[in-house]
Amino acid sequence: QVQLVQSGAEVKKPGSSVKVSCKASGGTFSSYAISWVRQAPGQGLEWMGGIIPIFGTANYAQKFQGRVTITADESTSTAYMELSSLRSEDTAVYYCATLDLGYWGQGTLVTVSS
Amino acid sequence: SSELTQDPAVSVALGQTVRITCQGDSLRSYYASWYQQKPGQAPVLVIYGKNNRPSGIPDRFSGSSSGNTASLTITGAQAEDEADYYCNSRDSSGNRVVFGGGTKLTVL
Repeated sequence: QVQLVQSGAEVKKPGSSVKVSCKASGGTFSSYAISWVRQAPGQGLEWMGGIIPIFGTANYAQKFQGRVTITADESTSTAYMELSSLRSEDTAVYYCATLDLGYWGQGTLVTVSS
Repeated sequence: SSELTQDPAVSVALGQTVRITCQGDSLRSYYASWYQQKPGQAPVLVIYGKNNRPSGIPDRFSGSSSGNTASLTITGAQAEDEADYYCNSRDSSGNRVVFGGGTKLTVL
């Protein structure tokens, strides 16, 4: 049983960056793919990118290329998603998930407001 | 815009059967997974692969695929099945993941 626990809610100013963490327990962290998915208020799910820690290279959705960085620290079984140049449209709940295994974090609300 | 297309809303009478569909070119090469999401909750995986249910998912949920269309069928819909349903799969390149826009299921 894999458990994903995310960092807490954030309030950010436009133009700043946010870094959300996702700590995994159970299973073999290094070998499963971690995705980051966001959901704006009242909207659908949107895949931002993902990483397989043992390989270390992330793939990103074209929409977020250049603005998102996904990393993983195998020593702490923690994945990170950093989104830069924040704008109001980035206000959303951000989830980490092992899509293939069906495990999701609890979600982190990021609010971008001046 | 999503590379997977879903109907925005579907309704079903209590106890009846409903099919939710997902269309996209990548589905000719990759299986879709299906997620159920209720308000204020994280999505829950209900179908993956050819037609596999994670532990704890009732057997009234099933999946199928034909050509560029994947389907989620709920046989004997229950009130607790009212939720948003999302399909997801690989994109045409195989390197990225895409989600459908979601289908809101109402159980009448």
